[in-house]
Formats: sequence, C-alpha cells, structure tokens
Amino acid sequence: GAGVSQTPSNKVTEKGKYVELRCDPISGHTALYWYRQSLGQGPEFLIYFQGTGAADDSGLPNDRFFAVRPEGSVSTLKIQRTERGDSAVYLCASSLLAGATGELFFGEGSRLTVL
Amino acid sequence: QKEVEQDPGPLSVPEGAIVSLNCTYSNSAFQYFMWYRQYSRKGPELLMYTYSSGNKEDGRFTAQVDKSSKYISLFIRDSQPSDSATYLCAMRIQGAQKLVFGQGTRLTINP
Repeated sequence: GAGVSQTPSNKVTEKGKYVELRCDPISGHTALYWYRQSLGQGPEFLIYFQGTGAADDSGLPNDRFFAVRPEGSVSTLKIQRTERGDSAVYLCASSLLAGATGELFFGEGSRLTVL
Repeated sequence: QKEVEQDPGPLSVPEGAIVSLNCTYSNSAFQYFMWYRQYSRKGPELLMYTYSSGNKEDGRFTAQVDKSSKYISLFIRDSQPSDSATYLCAMRIQGAQKLVFGQGTRLTINP
C-alpha cells in the first residue's frame, strides 16, 4: 500500500504479557517515529529512528519498552510485562527525510488494551 | 504544567462559520509549528506548517504564530461538515525530531 501500515490494528492482552506492534513505513522513508496516544490526549513521542539506529529514544517511559528497526524499514515496538496503564493507541509515522517541515505520515495506529 | 496547552473543547459551530483554534506554549525554543487534523480512529494528517513567527494561508485555512506571546492559531473559513475532526497543534525545536503535541480540540461543524 501507499501509506504507513500498522499491525495489529487492535490488540487485547492481559497484564504481565509481552506484546509486539509492527510498523511498515512508506517505501523509501528513512525516518520512522513511534508515538503513543492515550484517550483524549495528543500523541506523545516515544522514539525516532534514522535508518537502522534509534537516534532519539528519550520518550520511552521505562525499560519495559523497546523498539527495533534492523533493516532500516519495518520497525517493531516491543512491550514487556504489560500494565493497564500501557493501554493506548500506538502510532507509527515515517518521513522521507528527517527535515524541517515536520511532515510526518502517520499510520492508523495499533490500539492496545491491557486487561 | 504541560509544554503545550490546547483547549480540548468540544467546539460545535454551524456550517459556514469561521473557526478559531488556539494553542499556547511555554518553551521559547520552539521554532517549527504545525497543525494536524485527526479523524476518528485515524492517524493525524498534516494541515499547516509554519516556521517561526508569521502567517500562512492555504485555501480556507490560515495559521498564525506569535512567538512573543507564545501563542499559535488556526483559522478555518467557510467551515464544512467534513472539517469535523480533532485538531492538534504540534511544535518542535530546531535540530530535534521530537514533536510535542497539544491535547487536541474536538470540532464539530453542524449542517
């Protein structure tokens, strides 16, 4: 497809379980971002990749959260020992270059519910 | 106090009205200012981008930035029901890639 693809679109899990969320960016986009959006709030930055490396992971809330982008394209956000407070929509975005315009292209998000 | 403050609304106006949406911020280092539109259960999409202070117009949309007051606005003229969505302001400092978003204002345009 032409846009950013995120899977799964919905994920329900139990407290303490491990979760992986996948993002397939727009082809050719070198920059990839993860944001988290809680109900009624704006997106909150988690991590930014330029190519394969995490250039800024300052938004990851704690060491239960980890993200990878091994080949510079698809990225996976991994959450260990999930907590109810992790429930949110996890948004992935990509941009052609990490540039000044800020034009990020967002996917539709993965809605995570932790019971 | 949040770095970016935005009234969550909801805001409801009749079709054809002029809509004014606003954000204030506290970090004077912000240089890049954006407005994103987000439909229900969709990702945000960029509407307007402004660098530093000034105005920018694109069709029915006008973005204004007043850095001296740390205040940004988005105006929508001749509003349409299809403009009904949540509007998010976002900003970042030069050299950084992290966008800081406001809470979003939920807007409904009534036919």
